[in-house]
Amino acid sequence: AQRVTQPEKLLSVFKGAPVELKCNYSYSGSPELFWYVQYSRQRLQLLLRHISRESIKGFTADLNKGETSFHLKKPFAQEEDSAMYYCALSGLMEYGNKLVFGAGTILRVKS
Amino acid sequence: EAGVAQSPRYKIIEKRQSVAFWCNPISGHATLYWYQQILGQGPKLLIQFQNNGVVDDSQLPKDRFSAERLKGVDSTLKIQPAKLEDSAVYLCASSPTSGVRYEQYFGPGTRLTVT
Repeated sequence: AQRVTQPEKLLSVFKGAPVELKCNYSYSGSPELFWYVQYSRQRLQLLLRHISRESIKGFTADLNKGETSFHLKKPFAQEEDSAMYYCALSGLMEYGNKLVFGAGTILRVKS
Repeated sequence: EAGVAQSPRYKIIEKRQSVAFWCNPISGHATLYWYQQILGQGPKLLIQFQNNGVVDDSQLPKDRFSAERLKGVDSTLKIQPAKLEDSAVYLCASSPTSGVRYEQYFGPGTRLTVT
């Protein structure tokens, strides 16, 4: 069964501090991992995905198949990063691209 | 381009009543998804359409939930009769077609409260 675990409900950091949002997954096949973000009063939107190997708004995430993790990192947090972050998984070889989401982590960046 | 549209934005009903939600995907998007997001949880896929055919409805409680996508464009999700545990945000999303390489674009959601 596919499962995504985000162990922290809330992560609070000061502006300029490093950020790491944790995501662990369980999946027997080849996974594709995503991070989605929801800013206050905005829609859920894609932040980044493993398949693109990109850095968006200073965020990066590395897929570690040995540890089954896809942690989201940013070296210096900014106040505008405050939002709800969801890690999600899809199966590369599955028909369709059903997303399985974690429960989410609220990131609060304090000034 | 215009985003995914959903209506209504909020709905309050009593248990055992019926309710319907509407979604208009981004123009040209073949794939449409309905997700249920209960407070404190991540979105959970209820049903996925490819054009007007169902790809995945394995997590749709079919005894009370139904969905259709006539003509492969707009979609409606219905609950009949509603239960207290159906209180949630119902999200509609669309993508150009199926496949992990295609981003899913989400609508603003409909917040349902069942009393």
